[in-house]
Amino acid sequence: DTAVSQTPKYLVTQMGNDKSIKCEQNLGHDTMYWYKQDSKKFLKIMFSYNNKELIINETVPNRFSPKSPDKAHLNLHINSLELGDSAVYFCASSLTGANGYTFGSGTRLTVV
Amino acid sequence: GQQLNQSPQSMFIQEGEDVSMNCTSSSIFNTWLWYKQDPGEGPVLLIALYKAGELTSNGRLTAQFGITRKDSFLNISASIPSDVGIYFCAGQLNTNAGKSTFGDGTTLTVKP
Repeated sequence: DTAVSQTPKYLVTQMGNDKSIKCEQNLGHDTMYWYKQDSKKFLKIMFSYNNKELIINETVPNRFSPKSPDKAHLNLHINSLELGDSAVYFCASSLTGANGYTFGSGTRLTVV
Repeated sequence: GQQLNQSPQSMFIQEGEDVSMNCTSSSIFNTWLWYKQDPGEGPVLLIALYKAGELTSNGRLTAQFGITRKDSFLNISASIPSDVGIYFCAGQLNTNAGKSTFGDGTTLTVKP
């Protein structure tokens, strides 16, 4: 029973396309995150939602739009994909007041 | 913004050896966390530290929250091949909605 599941695991697409990545958690957590891991393995926060409300929005191009239909889901839609968007995107969740995240296994996005 | 620097960047050790790595920050944190990432997976939480000076163990792993609140250390005793992976430190402030700032990782290779 996967705790934080992301789909798809791999995504290869052409520049200019629009794509979505889905994330679901069954841990009862109330906060969800999107992180981007670049080719040097550096993890950088993109967005955070608490109970469906956006609470962190780092300096991410507005081609990236998160959507949280309920507190168990946080999806990421990316418009007009660029080569520089190629990376591994991780979804994570946590409980307010607790520390430490549970991460999904990542979505490797390759833009060609 | 806050930056976390981990050292060493990479380590090559023999099975059975002890390992030490550290993480330093330009500013203070209230919570320090250590994660391990296996290839093709998301980071997994190993240890969480909540108070300056705190020393916490998890099996062969021991981590310490530095007195200055600007650093943390992770030790692994009697390393085994499955310790291979990337170790990330992360810092949290109570005031920024659970956001974790991650270090740049220490890659550990264990030779049998």
